[in-house]
Order: sequence, then structure tokens, then C-alpha cells
Amino acid sequence: EAGVAQSPRYKIIEKRQSVAFWCNPISGHATLYWYQQILGQGPKLLIQFQNNGVVDDSQLPKDRFSAERLKGVDSTLKIQPAKLEDSAVYLCASSRLGDSNEQFFGPGTRLTVL
Amino acid sequence: RKEVEQDPGPFNVPEGATVAFNCTYSNSASQSFFWYRQDCRKEPKLLMSVYSSGNEDGRFTAQLNRASQYISLLIRDSKLSDSATYLCVVNMGKYNFNKFYFGSGTKLNVKP
Repeated sequence: EAGVAQSPRYKIIEKRQSVAFWCNPISGHATLYWYQQILGQGPKLLIQFQNNGVVDDSQLPKDRFSAERLKGVDSTLKIQPAKLEDSAVYLCASSRLGDSNEQFFGPGTRLTVL
Repeated sequence: RKEVEQDPGPFNVPEGATVAFNCTYSNSASQSFFWYRQDCRKEPKLLMSVYSSGNEDGRFTAQLNRASQYISLLIRDSKLSDSATYLCVVNMGKYNFNKFYFGSGTKLNVKP
């Protein structure tokens, strides 16, 4: 079974620029998560989709971050404009609907904001 | 107070040692509990789920204490390959929705 795919793997931008990340979850996984992991910390949930609907975006900085999951499959996460403190690894994960167990993570996108 | 708290370590142990990590969580109604392993510059991967009755997988044993709201992970006969960061994860979602909170991780260094 193919894993969670993410691109790009690395991105370097200057502050105030925009950036977008893409995620393709495991086929058949209805739930998709975007996490932000700052160096030395655990992943923090930004947004969670169930199919193409948002079920939790309480920790998403909505003034600059946005995400969508059209057709309930692929997802994109955008930051506009980026700040220095957005430097982090952005992890996408997916899990089966109703399964409270395993999340499968993609390799992440490492973002550096200069 | 953070939802999930862990000692960041590092724990520096020799090969063959037994090491234990604890993790505390804030929400007494939490549904499910997990330990994930994260290697340097890699994504987290599930190590094991934590059940109320405790569970064991080879050299790894996980325990849950709901009354005291903590989870533990015991690693016996440590191997060099066990060197990683161990993340405690708690599902505080309700009904059919998951809401996972991660601890900051405990770093383990196993030395020859």
C-alpha cells in the first residue's frame, strides 16, 4: 500500500512570501490531518478533514493559513504571508474513518522562512 | 498546562539497559493512547497503542493509569537502534471524531 505523499520536501522562502504544500493521503482514508512541528516540539494539529469537510481548525491561524481538501482526497495547505515563526516541518497524516488508532504520516515539508 | 506532558530527556543509557518514560495528560475523558517513535528528521511512526489492561510487544511494555492520568513506556534490553524520540499521543476527541494531542517527546540515546 502506498504511503502518504507530500510535496515539496523542502522549501525556503522570505518572510511575507506565500507558500503552498500538497498532500495525497493513503487511498481510502477519509480523515486527513495537517500538523505543524517546530524543532524540539511535538506535532501540533492545525486542521483536520473528514472527507472534504473540516472537523477541527481551532488551532489554525486563519489570518494567514488556509487549507482545502477538494473532492475529499488531496489537500493543500497555504501560508500567506509567511512569518519567521512559521519555520517548521509541516506533516500530513491520514487515517481510516472512525478508526481511533493509527495515523499514517507523510515525510513532511521542511519550511524555512528567512 | 499542556494537554500532554513528557520529560524531554535526553535519556542516555548503555546497550542492554532498561529504561522507562512517563507521560501525563490533562483530560480524564480521553479515549485512546499511543506511543509513536520519531527518528531524527523523519516522520512519526506508531510504536504501540496503550490499552487499559497494559500491553507488551517484545521488549516494549506500555501501561495506562487512568486514575492518575499517566501513560508509561518501558523498554527492556535497549538496542542502539532504539535511539529516537518517543512521542506520547492522547486522543481527546468525542463521539466519532479524533482529536490527537502530542507530547513534546522524550529523546533516548542508547550508547555502546
